[in-house]
Amino acid sequence: SQTIHQWPATLVQPVGSPLSLECTVEGTSNPNLYWYRQAAGRGLQLLFYSVGIGQISSEVPQNLSASRPQDRQFILSSKKLLLSDSGFYLCAWSISSGANVLTFGAGSRLTVL
Amino acid sequence: KNQVEQSPQSLIILEGKNCTLQCNYTVSPFSNLRWYKQDTGRGPVSLTIMTFSENTKSNGRYTATLDADTKQSSLHITASQLSDSASYICVVSPWGDYKLSFGAGTTVTVRA
Repeated sequence: SQTIHQWPATLVQPVGSPLSLECTVEGTSNPNLYWYRQAAGRGLQLLFYSVGIGQISSEVPQNLSASRPQDRQFILSSKKLLLSDSGFYLCAWSISSGANVLTFGAGSRLTVL
Repeated sequence: KNQVEQSPQSLIILEGKNCTLQCNYTVSPFSNLRWYKQDTGRGPVSLTIMTFSENTKSNGRYTATLDADTKQSSLHITASQLSDSASYICVVSPWGDYKLSFGAGTTVTVRA
């Protein structure tokens, strides 16, 4: 069966510091991978989407970037964090064809101080 | 613009009681609608998924309905338990597009 791992679960970082959140998927090949951010009281916001290694689509101009160095690995990064980057980040995957049904990771809570 | 509206924003119910959550959407063309349960500080977990031709889908004490003509869905929780306290999110997938539309969620609190 497929599983998705996301880490770290919580992170407290000072403003201006770098960020790296990692996500890996097991039990499937060539998944579609996603990074979402969730703000309190609002729907999930799609940040990045990837259909394959090195293929990244950015949905929202921001201080973040994403990379997919391996088929089942998706990384969310920032060179210099802003206060506004604080939030709950979710990685998700779906099969590369069909109904586009997402399976989410456990989430990463980022607090920028 | 594809939108998903959920109501109520939050509700409190007593343990053992039933409740119904609503989801209205404007997503077109429609592929599928999914209800997720999200515990505080955790990732969403799928409860049900329905395609255009399905009217109802059950998962234990959770029953989802879909009216594709009126673009409405509901999630009914039967005999609520304390563990049902969570946020319930309605997600609609357009056909042929990876951009899903998410509702803001309904926060359910079950009290003893």
